[in-house]
Amino acid sequence: GEDVEQSLFLSVREGDSSVINCTYTDSSSTYLYWYKQEPGAGLQLLTYIFSNMDMKQDQRLTVLLNKKDKHLSLRIADTQTGDSAIYFCAEVRYSTLTFGKGTMLLVSP
Amino acid sequence: DAGVTQSPTHLIKTRGQQVTLRCSPKSGHDTVSWYQQALGQGPQFIFQYYEEEERQRGNFPDRFSGHQFPNYSSELNVNALLLGDSALYLCASSPDTKYQETQYFGPGTRLLVL
Repeated sequence: GEDVEQSLFLSVREGDSSVINCTYTDSSSTYLYWYKQEPGAGLQLLTYIFSNMDMKQDQRLTVLLNKKDKHLSLRIADTQTGDSAIYFCAEVRYSTLTFGKGTMLLVSP
Repeated sequence: DAGVTQSPTHLIKTRGQQVTLRCSPKSGHDTVSWYQQALGQGPQFIFQYYEEEERQRGNFPDRFSGHQFPNYSSELNVNALLLGDSALYLCASSPDTKYQETQYFGPGTRLLVL
């Protein structure tokens, strides 16, 4: 089964904030990543957080990390229709990435 | 600065055939990883190449093999194709540093096995 867990679907209205959640299992992961995948495309790196941080902000994106609970979240402020995509969280194990199944974000006007 | 490139973009094969997919890493990157993404799933790690050697391997059969060339580009070969090999194959490159292993992905090759 999947070691990285994500909710499968999130629907928001344009202008609202979106929060996508993820739980991971390997407490020794050094970095945790968020990737975005639009239909028919590859994976675009959105942001990452080092394991000794608990928050990272990058323009409209805020990543929160709770190492105790192995919980990672991605908040997108002022969500736009162009943010509609599948979002994957991933943890690093032995230099390789382990992904969740992805969360489909649907932004309606 | 070109990012990760992959070829071909799409491919249709029949069961039992063999396929070769190609990847050129981002400039300055020397490590290449391959992932398989089945429909509706997250990418699954196949293997990773560094210094022309397979450094790590995921849970994939020996039908999946690869190669890395001196210029760091890489190939993924799949023999005796099965219907279940239909997927998006993603290549990712990264610099080989202990402290930053961020992987950048190419657009993928979509393989359909009939």
